[in-house]
Amino acid sequence: DAGVTQSPTHLIKTRGQQVTLRCSPKSGHDTVSWYQQALGQGPQFIFQYYEEEERQRGNFPDRFSGHQFPNYSSELNVNALLLGDSALYLCASSLSGLSEAFFGQGTRLTVV
Amino acid sequence: GDSVTQMEGPVTLSEEAFLTINCTYTATGYPSLFWYVQYPGEGLQLLLKATKADDKGSNKGFEATYRKETTSFHLEKGSVQVSDSAVYFCALPPNNQGGKLIFGQGTELSVKP
Repeated sequence: DAGVTQSPTHLIKTRGQQVTLRCSPKSGHDTVSWYQQALGQGPQFIFQYYEEEERQRGNFPDRFSGHQFPNYSSELNVNALLLGDSALYLCASSLSGLSEAFFGQGTRLTVV
Repeated sequence: GDSVTQMEGPVTLSEEAFLTINCTYTATGYPSLFWYVQYPGEGLQLLLKATKADDKGSNKGFEATYRKETTSFHLEKGSVQVSDSAVYFCALPPNNQGGKLIFGQGTELSVKP
């Protein structure tokens, strides 16, 4: 079992650009959640996808959007990048109805 | 709303010392409770969990007991190793909803030989 995989592992972008991060969930899982973890902080929930639709959303602006594909993999898109978007972005997968989540290694995004 | 509060870090211990990391929570109902660990440069790994009051979760020598009376879920280990150096996060699912978690701010543990 490959677990949750994320790509890329590191990314450097310029302010104002757009970025797409990718996530493949653990085998058998149908729900994908995305989190932003700033340096020295706990992860903050961005949104969750289930059955290709956004099911829950945290307190993040519309610049953050996502998508889930029929094979349950997911993308996180961030438009008009700000310096403050620099963080570790974590993907977590779970089985619908269960609270236990499994995390990927994360994508380290640096905005310069 | 639901929240999690952890003790401030960093915590520095000598090898074989006893570890306690405090976690208290505020929640609607009785959600499952989790401890996650994050090693340097890595994502989060589920360390242990408890699904109802008085449950004890355990893994790799770590233990935590779900205390409804004190709304706590303190993490303990009898004898820490250098390899336990990491950041530890307490978490819960608000309204016991699947997949979404609220995390504490994390407690950094450093174990010296």
